[in-house]
Amino acid sequence: AQSVTQLGSHVSVSEGALVLLRCNYSSSVPPYLFWYVQYPNQGLQLLLKYTSAATLVKGINGFEAEFKKSETSFHLTKPSAHMSDAAEYFCAVSSIQGAQKLVFGQGTRLTINP
Amino acid sequence: DAGVTQSPTHLIKTRGQHVTLRCSPISGHKSVSWYQQVLGQGPQFIFQYYEKEERGRGNFPDRFSARQFPNYSSELNVNALLLGDSALYLCASSSLPLAGPQGELFFGEGSRLTVL
Repeated sequence: AQSVTQLGSHVSVSEGALVLLRCNYSSSVPPYLFWYVQYPNQGLQLLLKYTSAATLVKGINGFEAEFKKSETSFHLTKPSAHMSDAAEYFCAVSSIQGAQKLVFGQGTRLTINP
Repeated sequence: DAGVTQSPTHLIKTRGQHVTLRCSPISGHKSVSWYQQVLGQGPQFIFQYYEKEERGRGNFPDRFSARQFPNYSSELNVNALLLGDSALYLCASSSLPLAGPQGELFFGEGSRLTVL
């Protein structure tokens, strides 16, 4: 079975500060890993994905994530937060062997302070 | 190009009633998946259909059912509604049946169901 744990249901940073959202996964087979963002009253938008090509993955809006197999982690970072980054962020895992099923974490609400 | 469209956007039902939610995938996409997102939680997988066949089913009771039509649009049906079915129901489409380098999911904005 696969699972995702997002550490911290709420993260608050100042505008211009580093954003770090933590995600740890559990998977018995090589995983695909994803970060999605959800703005209020909207669906999910893909930020970036790890599919075994490179361990450091760059996504949209200046976000990036690093896959660390030894730590079973896929933390999301952005060097400088912008007010528009305020949203809910979800980490998800999917199996290479499985159907197109994503297992999501509980989400982390990111607040940006002016 | 139109993205994934879902209808209705909001609806209110009472316990015991039945609901049908509809989804139109991105043009050319043959895979449709459904997720339930309860307030304050991450989305949970309900079903995946590809080329009108069920490819995956999550841990949901038989009150939940779905189907995919020849034009690849899809319906999610929920019978005998319970208070706990109140949630945002998300539909996602993809061009491929499996997750992978090209198998990106594109999500709609969801249908928000309130059960009273």
